[in-house]
Amino acid sequence: SQKIEQNSEALNIQEGKTATLTCNYTNYSPAYLQWYRQDPGRGPVFLLLIRENEKEKRKERLKVTFDTTLKQSLFHITASQPADSATYLCALGRSSNTGKLIFGQGTTLQVKP
Amino acid sequence: EAEVAQSPRYKITEKSQAVAFWCDPISGHATLYWYRQILGQGPELLVQFQDESVVDDSQLPKDRFSAERLKGVDSTLKIQPAELGDSAMYLCASSLGTDHEQYFGPGTRLTVT
Repeated sequence: SQKIEQNSEALNIQEGKTATLTCNYTNYSPAYLQWYRQDPGRGPVFLLLIRENEKEKRKERLKVTFDTTLKQSLFHITASQPADSATYLCALGRSSNTGKLIFGQGTTLQVKP
Repeated sequence: EAEVAQSPRYKITEKSQAVAFWCDPISGHATLYWYRQILGQGPELLVQFQDESVVDDSQLPKDRFSAERLKGVDSTLKIQPAELGDSAMYLCASSLGTDHEQYFGPGTRLTVT
């Protein structure tokens, strides 16, 4: 069955450093991948979308890569700040008439001042 | 900035009781999703609407859950009867269409006692 794996352990980094989060998947061929941020007790917030024919996407301090051969996406936050502390979810989707997203379990990032 | 509205934010109910959640998507968004999120896990799709039609309810426990979007705008998710295992966050999201980013509401935290 299809499986999405994100680092289950929290990632703790120092302010100013680059945070790198990993999303691996098996038994799935996504057409695109999305990253969301979720704060405790709140709904996820969309950050970035990258399609299968794109290798890299950037938005301000965020960068996401997508390697369909390795079946992996990396999400980077450069010059991290304590306000970046949250849970980050990756979600995979196929182009179809439903566009259903399959979410990973999320990785919690803690940025210390 | 337009937001997805959900109510109630919190609901405590006894098992075997009925419970209902309401969602008002962003104006103009044809696609509406209901997700269930258990603590420590990613959101899992329960049902997806395109306008007033259900396009995916494969993970909806249809013996006790029902969802409707009668006029293709707001939507209601109902559980009857509630079970202890239904305790979770219920999230509503909307998007312009499939393969687009999804906008989530604040969620309804359900506790079944």
